[in-house]
Amino acid sequence: DGGITQSPKYLFRKEGQNVTLSCEQNLNHDAMYWYRQDPGQGLRLIYYSQIVNDFQKGDIAEGYSVSREKKESFPLTVTSAQKNPTAFYLCASSILRPGLAFHGEQFFGPGTRLTVL
Amino acid sequence: DAKTTQPTSMDCAEGRAANLPCNHSTISGNEYVYWYRQIHSQGPQYIIHGLKNNETNEMASLIITEDRKSSTLILPHATLRDTAVYYCIAHPEPQGGSEKLVFGKGTKLTVNP
Repeated sequence: DGGITQSPKYLFRKEGQNVTLSCEQNLNHDAMYWYRQDPGQGLRLIYYSQIVNDFQKGDIAEGYSVSREKKESFPLTVTSAQKNPTAFYLCASSILRPGLAFHGEQFFGPGTRLTVL
Repeated sequence: DAKTTQPTSMDCAEGRAANLPCNHSTISGNEYVYWYRQIHSQGPQYIIHGLKNNETNEMASLIITEDRKSSTLILPHATLRDTAVYYCIAHPEPQGGSEKLVFGKGTKLTVNP
């Protein structure tokens, strides 16, 4: 089955430690995204990538880093510089080429809930 | 992206139609209306999108007013599994680049037995 996987589902870390969240997709999608969601709030874009070895900052990139070495993978590192890292993190992907059936649709993974103690 | 306004919460009886409104009075001519929903502690799921005409798929119907300043998502026969937060997003037609969708707080729909 095609889809997006995120691991782990729950993650606990001590304050001051870097942590990397995994995101893998086998949908052959070009674009991938990372969002953060706080309780009762909408989603905020952290980083996005349109192509391998290229990525752009979203609205709240400070304290985060990403890499896109493979089309299928877009890991997110939450660094110790992120002041309030406890949140629900969502990864998504989408097709870039307009004219296809689902243009504009983003497919989301199940999310990783990060708690920093 | 144009700003969208949705009610914070709504209730619906199981088996009845759920009508979720969205105001987007500043929407521009090239912006589509997208609807996503997020079941508790899961990732959002695409439902439907439209530009001018009403749209229908296996999940829902989207009714867009003639002046495009508002729209309504209709779930024709709501079930308990439709309980979720529903997001209305106004966004330009994709131009081949990545799409930075802006998710607001949405409407929390509760379907009651």
